[in-house]
Amino acid sequence: AQSVTQLGSHVSVSEGALVLLRCNYSSSVPPYLFWYVQYPNQGLQLLLKYTTGATLVKGINGFEAEFKKSETSFHLTKPSAHMSDAAEYFCAVSKNNAGNMLTFGGGTRLMVKP
Amino acid sequence: EPEVTQTPSHQVTQMGQEVILRCVPISNHLYFYWYRQILGQKVEFLVSFYNNEISEKSEIFDDQFSVERPDGSNFTLKIRSTKLEDSAMYFCASSAARYEQFFGPGTRLTVL
Repeated sequence: AQSVTQLGSHVSVSEGALVLLRCNYSSSVPPYLFWYVQYPNQGLQLLLKYTTGATLVKGINGFEAEFKKSETSFHLTKPSAHMSDAAEYFCAVSKNNAGNMLTFGGGTRLMVKP
Repeated sequence: EPEVTQTPSHQVTQMGQEVILRCVPISNHLYFYWYRQILGQKVEFLVSFYNNEISEKSEIFDDQFSVERPDGSNFTLKIRSTKLEDSAMYFCASSAARYEQFFGPGTRLTVL
């Protein structure tokens, strides 16, 4: 079985500050890991993914995440927050096969203060 | 850029009625999925579909649910007899062999 825990259901940062959203996973097999973003009244948009290879992955909008197997973590970071980053962020895990279900964390709502 | 589309955007129904939620996946994708998100809760997997059959389903996906790919483009989720607790946002997703799932904008189902 797989599971995802996102620490902090709400995170608030000032514009220009570092964004750090935490994700820890549990998986019995080598995982594929994903971060999705959901803007109000919209669907889920893929920010970035880790499948194999380089453990530091870069995504859209300046976000990146690092896969740390020893810590079972896949934290999402962005050096400088922008007002437009305000949204809900979901970490997800799947097995390393095509077509496998995604297991999502509970989500973290990011608020950006001017 | 190709995208997953879903209709309707909002569906209101009476308890006990049947509803069909429709999705048009990205045209060259092979794997199709339904997820749901009850208000304030996490996104939950319902079912995956490949090669015209269900490949995986969750405990939520009981006998009142069914999926179908009636033609080469549509992918539908049917709920036979809706309950109040079926009220949720339902997301369709599709993927090619690269494992990355693309999500539609969702259908908000309200059961009264």
